[in-house]
Amino acid sequence: AQTVTQSQPEMSVQEAETVTLSCTYDTSESDYYLFWYKQPPSRQMILVIRQEAYKQQNATENRFSVNFQKAAKSFSLKISDSQLGDAAMYFCAYRSAGTGNQFYFGTGTSLTVIP
Amino acid sequence: DAGITQSPRHKVTETGTPVTLRCHQTENHRYMYWYRQDPGHGLRLIHYSYGVKDTDKGEVSDGYSVSRSKTEDFLLTLESATSSQTSVYFCATTGGLRNQPQHFGDGTRLSIL
Repeated sequence: AQTVTQSQPEMSVQEAETVTLSCTYDTSESDYYLFWYKQPPSRQMILVIRQEAYKQQNATENRFSVNFQKAAKSFSLKISDSQLGDAAMYFCAYRSAGTGNQFYFGTGTSLTVIP
Repeated sequence: DAGITQSPRHKVTETGTPVTLRCHQTENHRYMYWYRQDPGHGLRLIHYSYGVKDTDKGEVSDGYSVSRSKTEDFLLTLESATSSQTSVYFCATTGGLRNQPQHFGDGTRLSIL
């Protein structure tokens, strides 16, 4: 089974600053999909951004962007111009493009935004 | 999100009692999943389904069973609840295309005393 590692249990950032959350994964597959989810205190799981492994271009969604390094098996999330509403738990997830339909999640990073 | 409803949203029960959690989706997604979320563990897969009456175990399936008699409903049953099963439970669905993310319900907070 694939493993997803988020090595930063907690992070903090000043409002309006930029923060990067790290995620690494272990796989022998060449084709797969990666996702970042946000879980605010309301407990909802909200999709933030997705990346296809076959695409070299890093995905971007407004203030959120990723740094996808396929050879290093790294998938970090950058949040620019941080806002108070960005405070949440962030989860990295992996989905195989081949066999099975399981998703593999990291243990999450809790982000605090300081006013 | 994606028309996924979990019920109940909260439940408190006693050790040894049976508990059933329900997940209902309106998106006609083929795949459905049950996870539990505990501090420091992220989301751990309990069981998943790849079609009506087709289910498989996840990494933490002991003490849990599931059933899927209709595309839209996926039930999670704790036959005899234990305190270690106190957790937040999430249902998720996804379609057949591999680039599709999972969509989640709002979760059920289950406390077993």
